[in-house]
Amino acid sequence: TQLLEQSPQFLSIQEGENLTVYCNSSSVFSSLQWYRQEPGEGPVLLVTVVTGGEVKKLKRLTFQFGDARKDSSLHITAAQPGDTGLYLCAGARKTDSWGKLQFGAGTQVVVTP
Amino acid sequence: KAGVTQTPRYLIKTRGQQVTLSCSPISGHRSVSWYQQTPGQGLQFLFEYFSETQRNKGNFPGRFSGRQFSNSRSEMNVSTLELGDSALYLCASSFTGKEGTEAFFGQGTRLTVV
Repeated sequence: TQLLEQSPQFLSIQEGENLTVYCNSSSVFSSLQWYRQEPGEGPVLLVTVVTGGEVKKLKRLTFQFGDARKDSSLHITAAQPGDTGLYLCAGARKTDSWGKLQFGAGTQVVVTP
Repeated sequence: KAGVTQTPRYLIKTRGQQVTLSCSPISGHRSVSWYQQTPGQGLQFLFEYFSETQRNKGNFPGRFSGRQFSNSRSEMNVSTLELGDSALYLCASSFTGKEGTEAFFGQGTRLTVV
C-alpha cells in the first residue's frame, strides 16, 4: 500500500487544456516534492513545498501544499506536448530521516498536439 | 555543478550472479539513498547512507546491501540475483536547506536478470 495516493493514474489531454494531479495521504510530511520522469531516466525535481497552505508557481505549473501538510496538488495550465511524462509526488515524513522519501505511484500525463 | 552520476547505465546478469552498482552524489551532499523502480511497485526505498553509516533501510531482503565511502560515493550490491530483481535502480543525493528536503536523482541503472 502506497503511503501517498496519487490520482488520477492516467491523464490524456489535448494541447492547450488544463489538468490537475492530486497527491493525498493520512500522514503528515515535513516537506513534499513533485518530480517528472521520462522513460528510462531518473525523476527530475520540479518543486519542493514546505509550509502548510503554501502555493508555488513555476511558469504554467502551480503547486499547492495542504494546510495540514498531508496532501498536495499540481495544476498545469495550457498544457503542451513537452509536459508529457510521469509525475510523481514524494514526501519526507517527520518521523523519517530526510533521505527516505515515500513516493506516490505516479500519474502518467500524455498531451497530444 | 555536476549532477548525480550512476554507473553503469545498463546491465544484463544471469540468475544467481551478483552485481554492484555505483553512485557519485552531487558535491557537498552527504546523504545518498537508493530506490528500486518497477512497473508494478513504483519507487521503493532500499536504504540511505549518511556519512558512511546506514541511516535507514527499506523492506528488502538481506541480498540487497550497500555502503558509502568517505568521499560520499556509494555502492549497492545485490547477491544471488533473481528474475524479480530486474528493475531500474535509482540513486539520489539529498540535503535539507531552507527549501526543505530536496533529493536529486541520477539517470539510474537498468538491471535485467535473465
